Amino acid sequence: GAGVSQSPSNKVTEKGKDVELRCDPISGHTALYWYRQSLGQGLEFLIYFQGNSAPDKSGLPSDRFSAERTGGSVSTLTIQRTQQEDSAVYLCASSPDRGTYTEAFFGQGTRLTVV
Amino acid sequence: QKEVEQDPGPLSVPEGAIVSLNCTYSNSAFQYFMWYRQYSRKGPELLMYTYSSGNKEDGRFTAQVDKSSKYISLFIRDSQPSDSATYLCAMSVDRGSTLGRLYFGRGTQLTVWP
Repeated sequence: GAGVSQSPSNKVTEKGKDVELRCDPISGHTALYWYRQSLGQGLEFLIYFQGNSAPDKSGLPSDRFSAERTGGSVSTLTIQRTQQEDSAVYLCASSPDRGTYTEAFFGQGTRLTVV
Repeated sequence: QKEVEQDPGPLSVPEGAIVSLNCTYSNSAFQYFMWYRQYSRKGPELLMYTYSSGNKEDGRFTAQVDKSSKYISLFIRDSQPSDSATYLCAMSVDRGSTLGRLYFGRGTQLTVWP
């Protein structure tokens, strides 16, 4: 597809279970970002990939959160031992590397509910 | 104190009104200033961006940046019901060829009623 694709769109999980969220960026985009949006809050930065490396992972809230990117394309955000406070919309964005200002394109998000 | 502050509203205006949305920030290293629009249950989409200080106009939308006051604004003229959405300001440091991390405000929820 032409845009950033995230799956699943909705995920309900039990407290304590692990979840994996997937992001397919726009083809050719070198940068990939994960953000989290809680109800009534702005977007909270989680991690940023440039290619397959993550120069900035300062936003990951705890060691239960991890992310990887393979082949400079698909990324997976994993949350282990989920807690109720992890409930939020997880947004992925990608941007090209053009040498000038570049726009971040967002996916529709994965709505995670921990019960 | 958050690096980017934005009044969450909600803001409710009649069709045709001029809307003013604002953000303040504390990091003087920010160079790119953006406004995103987010419809319910959708991802944010870029509305406008400005580099450094100044104004930028695009149709009914005008973005202003005042770096001396660390204050940015988005004006919407002749507002329409289709403008009803959450508006998020975002900022980033100039990292050369890559966009890098964006710092977002909380978003202002706008409703334009007919």
